[in-house]
Amino acid sequence: KAGVTQTPRYLIKTRGQQVTLSCSPISGHRSVSWYQQTPGQGLQFLFEYFSETQRNKGNFPGRFSGRQFSNSRSEMNVSTLELGDSALYLCASSRRTSGGAADTQYFGPGTRLTVL
Amino acid sequence: AQSVTQLGSHVSVSEGALVLLRCNYSSSVPPYLFWYVQYPNQGLQLLLKYTSAATLVKGINGFEAEFKKSETSFHLTKPSAHMSDAAEYFCAVSEAGTALIFGKGTTLSVSS
Repeated sequence: KAGVTQTPRYLIKTRGQQVTLSCSPISGHRSVSWYQQTPGQGLQFLFEYFSETQRNKGNFPGRFSGRQFSNSRSEMNVSTLELGDSALYLCASSRRTSGGAADTQYFGPGTRLTVL
Repeated sequence: AQSVTQLGSHVSVSEGALVLLRCNYSSSVPPYLFWYVQYPNQGLQLLLKYTSAATLVKGINGFEAEFKKSETSFHLTKPSAHMSDAAEYFCAVSEAGTALIFGKGTTLSVSS
C-alpha cells in the first residue's frame, strides 16, 4: 500500500509570495492533518480536514488555509509569505474512527519550504 | 490544555546500552499517547501508542513504553541500542479530534 505522498518536496519562495502544498493520503484514509516543523517551535498542528470539511484548527494566522477534495487529497496554502514561514510542512493521514483521538496518523516525508 | 514535556533534548548512549527517553504529559482526561521517530530528511514514523488497553506497550524495532498515571509519564525504552536507532524521537498526546500535541523532541546518538 502506498504511503502518504507530498509534493513538492522542496520549495523556495520570496517574501510576499503565496505557496500551495499538496498531500495525497493513504488509500482509504479520509482524514488529513497538517503540521509545521521548525527548529524553534518544534512540531505544531495547523489543521485537519475530514470529508472535505475543516474539523480542527491550530493557532496559526489566517494566512494559512487548506482544503480537501472528494478523493481525500488535500492542499495547504500560505499567502503573503514571511521569513518565519520557512519550515518543514508535514501532512498526516488517518482513518479517523470514533472521534479520531486514538487513531494512528501516518506521516508523509514533508515539504521543505524556504522563504527568502 | 494538554501538553508534553520531553526531558533531555539530547541523549547519548553506546551501542548495546539501554536507551531511556523520558516523556511526561499533562492531561485532565485519560490521554492517548504516542512515540514517533524521525530520521533525517524524512517524515515521522510511529513507534508505538497507548490507548488504555495495557500500560506496557510494545512497539516496533524493540522499543517499548510504560504508561504510569501516578507519575504522568510515558517513557520510551529499548534494552540494547543499535547504531540504526540514532534519530530524533517525539512524544505526543492526542487532543481534540486527531490533533497531536508534540514534545520538543529528543535526539538520540549511538556510538560504537
